[in-house]
Amino acid sequence: GAVVSQHPSRVICKSGTSVKIECRSLDFQATTMFWYRQFPKQSLMLMATSNEGSKATYEQGVEKDKFLINHASLTLSTLTVTSAHPEDSSFYICSARDDRFGRGNVEQYFGPGTRLTVT
Amino acid sequence: AQSVAQPEDQVNVAEGNPLTVKCTYSVSGNPYLFWYVQYPNRGLQFLLKYITGDNLVKGSYGFEAEFNKSQTSFHLKKPSALVSDSALYFCAVRARMDSSYKLIFGSGTRLLVRP
Repeated sequence: GAVVSQHPSRVICKSGTSVKIECRSLDFQATTMFWYRQFPKQSLMLMATSNEGSKATYEQGVEKDKFLINHASLTLSTLTVTSAHPEDSSFYICSARDDRFGRGNVEQYFGPGTRLTVT
Repeated sequence: AQSVAQPEDQVNVAEGNPLTVKCTYSVSGNPYLFWYVQYPNRGLQFLLKYITGDNLVKGSYGFEAEFNKSQTSFHLKKPSALVSDSALYFCAVRARMDSSYKLIFGSGTRLLVRP
């Protein structure tokens, strides 16, 4: 089946530093990837849609200058949390859509998540 | 507004008993519905989906869900619960928003299966 990986699985960083999270589709190409944020005991909130070769589309209320998304290849999207603060601590999950099934593909495959803790 | 509701924060069942996790939705057009399971500190694992066809959908690990158009529901069920089924369950619907399709998730229901 389709596998999506994330790296790192957990990261601790100091306030004011930047952290990069990678999302890779391992056995399929993904023009479109999604980044979600999940607070403890809450649901997933879509942050942005990452499109290979073009700018990401951010959801309302998400600061694009703080959460930089780069989708440089068909198998890799990165999320960089810039100038991190303790309130950015969260569980970040990416997902990807398999290009083989066209734009109408309804399935998204999720990564295992990255636990970010900002001290 | 397009949305998904999971009315129960937690469902408690005894091992071996049947379980139901409720989900209702509100979406324009034909709904594409999904159930995912999440274990602690892990991403989401796909359980099953409904796109079209039979209202009863069978998925992974013995789970099934029944699509009910008149009640706009998509409840997750399993005939005999296992302790290992204890996890967080999310219902989701694909919705068209801002010229693209996005998954809208419910708030999640924690399933606790006691031995």
